[in-house]
Formats: sequence, C-alpha cells, structure tokens
Amino acid sequence: KAGVTQTPRYLIKTRGQQVTLSCSPISGHRSVSWYQQTPGQGLQFLFEYFSETQRNKGNFPGRFSGRQFSNSRSEMNVSTLELGDSALYLCASSKTSSDEQFFGPGTRLTVL
Amino acid sequence: AQSVTQPDIHITVSEGASLELRCNYSYGATPYLFWYVQSPGQGLQLLLKYFSGDTLVQGIKGFEAEFKRSQSSFNLRKPSVHWSDAAEYFCAVGLMNYGGSQGNLIFGKGTKLSVKP
Repeated sequence: KAGVTQTPRYLIKTRGQQVTLSCSPISGHRSVSWYQQTPGQGLQFLFEYFSETQRNKGNFPGRFSGRQFSNSRSEMNVSTLELGDSALYLCASSKTSSDEQFFGPGTRLTVL
Repeated sequence: AQSVTQPDIHITVSEGASLELRCNYSYGATPYLFWYVQSPGQGLQLLLKYFSGDTLVQGIKGFEAEFKRSQSSFNLRKPSVHWSDAAEYFCAVGLMNYGGSQGNLIFGKGTKLSVKP
C-alpha cells in the first residue's frame, strides 16, 4: 500500500511569490492535515480537510490556504511568501478525522 | 490552552542501554496520545498511540509507552537501544473538537536521541 506522497520535495522561491504544494493521501483515507515544521516553532498545525471541507484551522495568517479534491488529494497554497515561511511542510492522512495520522516525507520550502 | 512538554531537548544513551523519553501534556479531557519518530530529512513515523483502555501500549520497533492520568504523562520507553534508533522523537496530543475531529495534533518540541557505540 503506497504511503502519503508529497510533491514537490524541494522548492526554492523568492519573497512575494506564491507557492502550491500537493499531497496525495493513502488510498481510502479521507482526512488530510497539514503541518509546518521549523527549528524555532517546531511542528504547528495548519489545517485539516475531510471530504473536501475544512474542519480545523490553525493559527496562521490568511496567506495560507488549502483545499481538498473529491479524490481526497489536497493542496496548500501560500501567497506573498515571506522569509519566515521557509520550513518543512508535512501532510498527514487518516481514514477519518478520529484515526491516527500517517505522514508524508514533506516538502522543503526555502524562501530567499 | 492545550500543550505538550518534552523536557529533554537532547539525550545520549549507549547502545544496549535502556531509554525513557518524557512527555507531559496539558488538556482538560482524556486526550489521544501519540509518539512519532523523525529521521533526518524524513517525515514522521508513528511509533504508538493511546486512545483508551490499557494504559501500557506497545508500538513498533520494540517501543512502549505508559499513560499516567494522575501525572498527565505519556513516557516512551525501550529496554535496549539500537544505533538505528538515533532520531528525533515527538510526543503529540490529538484534540477532539465539536465535530469529533482530532485532525489537529499538538506536538511537543521533540527530543533528539543520540546513541553511543
């Protein structure tokens, strides 16, 4: 059974640009959550989607947005990138919102 | 506010020695509890979880953890550490919101484990 896949694995952008990250959950999983990992703040929850609906949202500015498609694949978008957005962005999937989450390898975003 | 504390930032143990990583949480109700491990440049791998029932839970790779409600703790243990266990370990609390979703995991800051030969 394939795990959670994230594309791209590495990304370099400049300040002010926008970026879209993609996550494909494990087959049969309908919940997708996104996390930001930085050395200073650690792992922080961004948002969770279930059946194309955002169910939870973390404390991040509106520049961070996401969506989920009917096949459960999810994308997150960050607009007007700032240097502080440099981080490892992790996606996790679970069968439902109440099951354990399985993480992908992450997308390493560097903002110059 | 809910929080997870891992008091030890970095621990070094000798190969073959026992290991205990500490985790304390602050949450009003009985939480869902998890331990994840992260190797450099990798995502998180679930080691074990506690949802309810037996407070001693067994996980993969020979790890176990014990939920102690009175101490708000969920410490991770392994009787004999292998060099391949060197990694960063994260304790997490899963929150249940009105909709029954625990999609929001609150993580501790992590404990980096080094293993001496």
